[in-house]
Amino acid sequence: NAGVTQTPKFQVLKTGQSMTLQCAQDMNHEYMSWYRQDPGMGLRLIHYSVGAGITDQGEVPNGYNVSRSTTEDFPLRLLSAAPSQTSVYFCASSYSLGYTGRNSPLHFGNGTRLTVT
Amino acid sequence: TQLLEQSPQFLSIQEGENLTVYCNSSSVFSSLQWYRQEPGEGPVLLVTVVTGGEVKKLKRLTFQFGDARKDSSLHITAAQPGDTGLYLCAGDRSARQLTFGSGTQLTVLP
Repeated sequence: NAGVTQTPKFQVLKTGQSMTLQCAQDMNHEYMSWYRQDPGMGLRLIHYSVGAGITDQGEVPNGYNVSRSTTEDFPLRLLSAAPSQTSVYFCASSYSLGYTGRNSPLHFGNGTRLTVT
Repeated sequence: TQLLEQSPQFLSIQEGENLTVYCNSSSVFSSLQWYRQEPGEGPVLLVTVVTGGEVKKLKRLTFQFGDARKDSSLHITAAQPGDTGLYLCAGDRSARQLTFGSGTQLTVLP
């Protein structure tokens, strides 16, 4: 099983360039999310989606766009890259983050390491 | 300000020693999860605790959820080099978002 697949694994951008980080899952999970991981900061939620056509902002959404046209794919777009967006980006999915408070575990991809110069 | 504070941030111990990692917050969580992350990979779930006071064991790892559901601990007995990694706690306050702690980087020396 592929699980959660992220591409590319590494990317270097110049300030002002745009790019899309790809994320795909083959587990038919309703919930998908994007986190960034910075030293000493843990994982911070950027955007999330509870199903196709539905997205919402997380803790640090500025500078990033997302869309969810299918259940499987959840791309993250950087419209105009800035050095502050240098980070490791993780996509994660879950069967359901339901309303009982007992969240399903997140399944993570292996990350995209992005450097903006 | 980090909603979930983990301590210590770094821990380096010898094989065979015991250790405890703490995850503290002023907020109440419906549940709390512990993940382990190895270099170049995404975090992988170790355990979920749901009930205040709950204790769960996973081989040499013991997880406890505080009575007030604001804190949790992870205790490792007789640590081994294979336990090396970044340990992350994550709590849910809302149904749709998990909040992660800053992590504890554990190194177990042979």
